[in-house]
Amino acid sequence: DAKTTQPNSMESNEEEPVHLPCNHSTISGTDYIHWYRQLPSQGPEYVIHGLTSNVNNRMASLAIAEDRKSSTLILHRATLRDAAVYYCIQFEGGNTPLVFGKGTRLSVIA
Amino acid sequence: GAVVSQHPSRVICKSGTSVKIECRSLDFQATTMFWYRQFPKQSLMLMATSNEGSKATYEQGVEKDKFLINHASLTLSTLTVTSAHPEDSSFYICSASPGDRPSSGGYTFGSGTRLTVV
Repeated sequence: DAKTTQPNSMESNEEEPVHLPCNHSTISGTDYIHWYRQLPSQGPEYVIHGLTSNVNNRMASLAIAEDRKSSTLILHRATLRDAAVYYCIQFEGGNTPLVFGKGTRLSVIA
Repeated sequence: GAVVSQHPSRVICKSGTSVKIECRSLDFQATTMFWYRQFPKQSLMLMATSNEGSKATYEQGVEKDKFLINHASLTLSTLTVTSAHPEDSSFYICSASPGDRPSSGGYTFGSGTRLTVV
């Protein structure tokens, strides 16, 4: 079963920042936090991951709470192409599978 | 970056026939591949973990005789849906992991196969 909880849906205006929250209250000290997104009729796409420190890449930023029980994916300027389902996953590492929860469906309004 | 190719992207088959779906890692060797199934408006459900050269590990409730998985090389895993029925209609997605990249980076997913059984 998925170990994370996310809001079912969120809405954003185009070119505005978007903060997608995720709770992972049972996370262990060695579990990573991974984010993926899935556009309609496509396979998931890796977005970002982190362990303890905040992370930035060309797609997004990941802010991790100090107690690691929650995190926030930040899209700095939402575009219409960012409309997707975003999945936050608590990942054990190694070659273990990713277990997907229900994710957050992000709608972007022009 | 790592690329996973999944084929076919869409397939329609008659009830009772079998369908094979291929998942290839194009620029890396995948010691482990995962197969998922996704019904409309739902999340991805893990079906099985496929390890090169050994038998796949199936999740509870997934019939191994119905969903045959073969991972005969480090770049190819196949999923065969045998004796397909309309309730097997779904979106099937594979993902692959290079063995030397455990926790860093992410897994790469195929683009999915839309199976429709009529």
